[in-house]
Amino acid sequence: EVQLVESGGGLVQPGGSLRLSCTASGFTFSNHWMHWVRQVPGKGLEWVSRIIPDGSGTSYADSVKGRFTISRDNAKNTLYLQMNSLRDEDTAVYYCARDEVYGSGSCGLWGQGTLVTVSS
Amino acid sequence: QSALTQPPSASGAPGQSVTISCTGTSSDVGAYNYVSWFQHHPGKAPKLMIYEVTKRPSGVPDRFSGSKSGNTASLTVSGLQAEDEADYYCSSYAGNKVLFGGGTKLTVL
Repeated sequence: EVQLVESGGGLVQPGGSLRLSCTASGFTFSNHWMHWVRQVPGKGLEWVSRIIPDGSGTSYADSVKGRFTISRDNAKNTLYLQMNSLRDEDTAVYYCARDEVYGSGSCGLWGQGTLVTVSS
Repeated sequence: QSALTQPPSASGAPGQSVTISCTGTSSDVGAYNYVSWFQHHPGKAPKLMIYEVTKRPSGVPDRFSGSKSGNTASLTVSGLQAEDEADYYCSSYAGNKVLFGGGTKLTVL
């Protein structure tokens, strides 16, 4: 089955760290640009980060630059998001998504999301 | 860069057509033909409905269509059905970033 499954969400204190994982199956993971997108409860979708198929290039939203790091292990078919210096406003459902066209944001496959709650 | 601008809500009766706009700038929507539209039902994963401004992924009904003029892209849903009621988001490639719109809640009256 073609799918993405996120894990690693949970409750963390402000200033803390968390690493999200996204495991891909049913397709050639190493052929695709991958993204992380988040949704604050009750708010809209916000793009977080993107990584090139071989992992050699990344980009970030201004709101997370310098705090979050996207990476991938193509041998393990897994995408990661290392989140440091977490803030209350990082509380959201985090989705990983597969891009169908270059790194354009044409995300045709999404995971079910994992909830990150930043609170003391 | 700010999010793309969408109307917060739209509505139409079953069978009618509705168009949702997505306004960006000459650095994103106006610069690239990489506008996508997503349908999002609460609690579920977003679904790609349109990509590269006008293209429909396999399985998306042809009632959904996309277009672009200048810095504004549009999604038109024809022959509205009850299951079309959802939140709709546009996104645009913007060079080294991807931008999303604020979302439009589509209500089928």
